[in-house]
Amino acid sequence: AQRVTQPEKLLSVFKGAPVELKCNYSYSGSPELFWYVQYSRQRLQLLLRHISRESIKGFTADLNKGETSFHLKKPFAQEEDSAMYYCALDTGGGNKLTFGTGTQLKVEL
Amino acid sequence: DAMVIQNPRYQVTQFGKPVTLSCSQTLNHNVMYWYQQKSSQAPKLLFHYYDKDFNNEADTPDNFQSRRPNTSFCFLDIRSPGLGDAAMYLCATSSLGQGQLAKNIQYFGAGTRLSVL
Repeated sequence: AQRVTQPEKLLSVFKGAPVELKCNYSYSGSPELFWYVQYSRQRLQLLLRHISRESIKGFTADLNKGETSFHLKKPFAQEEDSAMYYCALDTGGGNKLTFGTGTQLKVEL
Repeated sequence: DAMVIQNPRYQVTQFGKPVTLSCSQTLNHNVMYWYQQKSSQAPKLLFHYYDKDFNNEADTPDNFQSRRPNTSFCFLDIRSPGLGDAAMYLCATSSLGQGQLAKNIQYFGAGTRLSVL
């Protein structure tokens, strides 16, 4: 069965420090992966998706099929990056997501 | 402007008393989803509608039902809420079959937090 694992419930970094939010997945097929973000008092929203290969708000994520990972990275954390981040896996068919349990990122001054 | 609207934001119900949560969308998306999210857990898909086609997850309890009377609205009915059903309920939409870039992106509402007394 498909599974998404985010091992860190809370990640605390200082402003300007690099950030890496870990995500590992388990899926036998060809995965499509996403990062969703929820800022304080806001709704869950898409941050980026691996097929787009884009950088959003300075964040990037590379799909590593060998390690079954899709870690989210940013070279220099900003205070406004503080939020809850969820990794999600689309298991094909284009309409169902399996979410990880999320990582709360706290950027301290 | 909110594109996926959930009402109410907070709902309190009594043990065993039926409750309905509502979701509406202005995006004209053909797919609507209901997720349940308990504290410190991942959002868990309950079911979704692809147009009028209802798709239930295998482990969604029979106590949970859904209706989609038209493209814009979708309802979650909990027939006999138990204490374990207290959670945040999230509605989401997506537009399948309308271009590769739009595919798979889900747009979420702000959620309804359900309390069961």
